Amino acid sequence: DSGVTQTPKHLITATGQRVTLRCSPRSGDLSVYWYQQSLDQGLQFLIQYYNGEERAKGNILERFSAQQFPDLHSELNLSSLELGDSALYFCASSSRQGLGAADTQYFGPGTRLTVL
Amino acid sequence: AQKITQTQPGMFVQEKEAVTLDCTYDTSDQSYGLFWYKQPSSGEMIFLIYQGSYDEQNATEGRYSLNFQKARKSANLVISASQLGDSAMYFCAMREGRRPGANSKLTFGKGITLSVRP
Repeated sequence: DSGVTQTPKHLITATGQRVTLRCSPRSGDLSVYWYQQSLDQGLQFLIQYYNGEERAKGNILERFSAQQFPDLHSELNLSSLELGDSALYFCASSSRQGLGAADTQYFGPGTRLTVL
Repeated sequence: AQKITQTQPGMFVQEKEAVTLDCTYDTSDQSYGLFWYKQPSSGEMIFLIYQGSYDEQNATEGRYSLNFQKARKSANLVISASQLGDSAMYFCAMREGRRPGANSKLTFGKGITLSVRP
């Protein structure tokens, strides 16, 4: 158990809908990262938050947004869903956004999103 | 260009034997970190081992060790005394270093499937 929690574990929805994925980082970790894992794209970085502020963006679609709350939990919002958004979405956390072993990212169990 | 390359096809190893999973990387940074993660069929991503670019010794964590060859830009994972529970997908990842605009994101390879035979 990495200490990172994600809910829900599975989500099935229809095209055009909007969903929210939730992540609670490990106790004490300030950084939260979101990744998407799909068969064709592999593991792709989406976005990073550090202590409530957005720090970096990757290949995140405009239909997707995220935020990190004062209690450090984070939510990833996916809207106008398309079939191609079906994937495993991971949240990871680390203690800081610097370098070194202390910045190891620990992953949650993931949310498997299926868009029908 | 791919930053992390994992080109081995599915790997097979006999239980209790050692196995090496290959990873090569590409970066112009002097400071970077290399990670290996394990993803069993249940789907979670499990951190295994970390190697910093300035670490003089190869990293070890229990049965896992990292064969780090900086000049060749390779960071191969060695699993000793394989167990049935080691059957999984293994990902090599890199976090690039300090430079303007750099962030802490991980860039992953495509992964290698390891099957341990009894």
